[in-house]
Amino acid sequence: EAGVVQSPRYKIIEKKQPVAFWCNPISGHNTLYWYRQNLGQGPELLIRYENEEAVDDSQLPKDRFSAERLKGVDSTLKIQPAELGDSAVYLCASSHLTSGRETQYFGPGTRLLVL
Amino acid sequence: LAKTTQPISMDSYEGQEVNITCSHNNIATNDYITWYQQFPSQGPRFIIQGYKTKVTNEVASLFIPADRKSSTLSLPRVSLSDTAVYYCLVGVENYGQNFVFGPGTRLSVLP
Repeated sequence: EAGVVQSPRYKIIEKKQPVAFWCNPISGHNTLYWYRQNLGQGPELLIRYENEEAVDDSQLPKDRFSAERLKGVDSTLKIQPAELGDSAVYLCASSHLTSGRETQYFGPGTRLLVL
Repeated sequence: LAKTTQPISMDSYEGQEVNITCSHNNIATNDYITWYQQFPSQGPRFIIQGYKTKVTNEVASLFIPADRKSSTLSLPRVSLSDTAVYYCLVGVENYGQNFVFGPGTRLSVLP
């Protein structure tokens, strides 16, 4: 079974430029997450989707970040315009339930460097 | 959401057993405990999950005392490849609940 796929793996842009990240979750996983991970820290949740609905976007900086999950499968996270402080690894995860307990499966992440 | 506390770092030698303890004093009745492992340049990977007593799989064991205010991840006979960051998370046994990642425990296995 294929895991969570993310692209690109690396991205270098200049500040004020736009950037987009793509995620393809594991087939059959209805829940999808986007996290941001800064160096030396744990992942921080940005947004969670149940199918195509964003059910928790309270941590998403909505002035410059946007996300979508059309048809409840693939998802895109966009930053426009990017700032120096946005340099981080952006992780996508999908999850399923087993006996009422949730297990998240993470992609490899996209490492963003804003110059 | 229950807050967790773990040591920031630990060192071990190859072949030793490593125990990483996580404190979660305000764990709720319906919360369960999950541990993830993260290697550099990779996303976190699920290791083990439990609610009470002891859980064992092919990778690790998870010990949870009766009061459930802490849990211990046990890695038997570690190797260099077990060098990673280990995260303890506490979540509710309901669909779609969010987990909060702390800074984790950075385990360094030395030859």
